[in-house]
Amino acid sequence: DAGVIQSPRHEVTEMGQEVTLRCKPISGHDYLFWYRQTMMRGLELLIYFNNNVPIDDSGMPEDRFSAKMPNASFSTLKIQPSEPRDSAVYFCASSLDGAGGHQETQYFGPGTRLLVL
Amino acid sequence: AQSVTQPDIHITVSEGASLELRCNYSYGATPYLFWYVQSPGQGLQLLLKYFSGDTLVQGIKGFEAEFKRSQSSFNLRKPSVHWSDAAEYFCAVGAWGNTPLVFGKGTRLSVIA
Repeated sequence: DAGVIQSPRHEVTEMGQEVTLRCKPISGHDYLFWYRQTMMRGLELLIYFNNNVPIDDSGMPEDRFSAKMPNASFSTLKIQPSEPRDSAVYFCASSLDGAGGHQETQYFGPGTRLLVL
Repeated sequence: AQSVTQPDIHITVSEGASLELRCNYSYGATPYLFWYVQSPGQGLQLLLKYFSGDTLVQGIKGFEAEFKRSQSSFNLRKPSVHWSDAAEYFCAVGAWGNTPLVFGKGTRLSVIA
């Protein structure tokens, strides 16, 4: 299995530009999570999907952030317009649907390192 | 809501010495506990996890962790550290229902000769 795939691995952009981050979860996984990692706040959840449906987007910072999952094998996180404070590492993770509600292991992608100048 | 505290921001140990990284969690029910490791510039790799049963769990790379309900702790241990263990270590807690994980702020491990 290729694991969770994220692209691009690195992105440098200027303030005001649109940024699109992409994620391909592990095949057969029903859950997809987007996390953001910064020095100040650590790892925090942005949004997660179950069977392509957004379940909780309360971690999305503001309207500039949007996420979609058009099918089971692809998700995007878009920032428009981007700002310097959005500079961070963005991780995508996926997991199976635990039987009976059990918590399943989340498998992380390598992350996208975003720098907004 | 769950929370995780990793009291040590940075730990330095000598190669070959034993290691213990501390993790305390807060959650009202039986937690699902994880330790992940992140090497510089890399993603997070699962070291081990606790769901139920034996409170001492074995993981990859010679790591183990012990769940202590009375202390709300899930400390990570390794008897002999290798230079390649230098990385950042994250403790995380999950809840029933396959919810997102809540992570601690991480402990950075440095290994010296």
